[in-house]
Amino acid sequence: DAKTTQPTSMDCAEGRAANLPCNHSTISGNEYVYWYRQIHSQGPQYIIHGLKNNETNEMASLIITEDRKSSTLILPHATLRDTAVYYCIVRALNNAGNMLTFGGGTRLMVKP
Amino acid sequence: NAGVTQNPKFQVLKTGQSMTLQCAQDMNHNSMYWYRQDPGMGLRLIYYSASEGTTDKGEVPNGYNVSRLNKREFSLRLESAAPSQTSVYFCASRSWIGSMETQYFGPGTRLLVL
Repeated sequence: DAKTTQPTSMDCAEGRAANLPCNHSTISGNEYVYWYRQIHSQGPQYIIHGLKNNETNEMASLIITEDRKSSTLILPHATLRDTAVYYCIVRALNNAGNMLTFGGGTRLMVKP
Repeated sequence: NAGVTQNPKFQVLKTGQSMTLQCAQDMNHNSMYWYRQDPGMGLRLIYYSASEGTTDKGEVPNGYNVSRLNKREFSLRLESAAPSQTSVYFCASRSWIGSMETQYFGPGTRLLVL
């Protein structure tokens, strides 16, 4: 699976959009971009994933650049409960390890 | 649906003691996983089970054994606990529909080995 690079931490004001970037310059054509988050003391939670088109669900939007070398997770109206570590993961379906490789992630702090 | 459940939530062991961490899922998923997470670190895969009756090693299997008892349950055993195994242990199961692959995680077991 391709390696990802994320900022270590970010702050966001409550009610504003949180834009979390991720670089994955070595991504392969069959690899998807996944985002998970981990709220303190809880297990990770799936947010969204995409291949090349932008995606939106009830939690967030995912914007993937045309060359697929980077992406941005957007939380449109961040709340205090969105404070968490956000993990960007790039992986192919059917990869032999069947595992998610969690890097350091971005620690998002939403402030009142 | 309860999703993924884990027991116990907390445990303190002395070096050399053994214990089994229990995990169950009620979502009829084939694949299940055990991860550990050390403070300030990402998750690392210990063992996984792609389907009932199969298990495979992950990144950090040493000191652990697993049993896929049935489709619902996947247990992790520490035969002789060591302080280096102090960690938070997460169990997960995998859903896969088309390109939609999602792992669902349990609440974690916090283990302290003295």
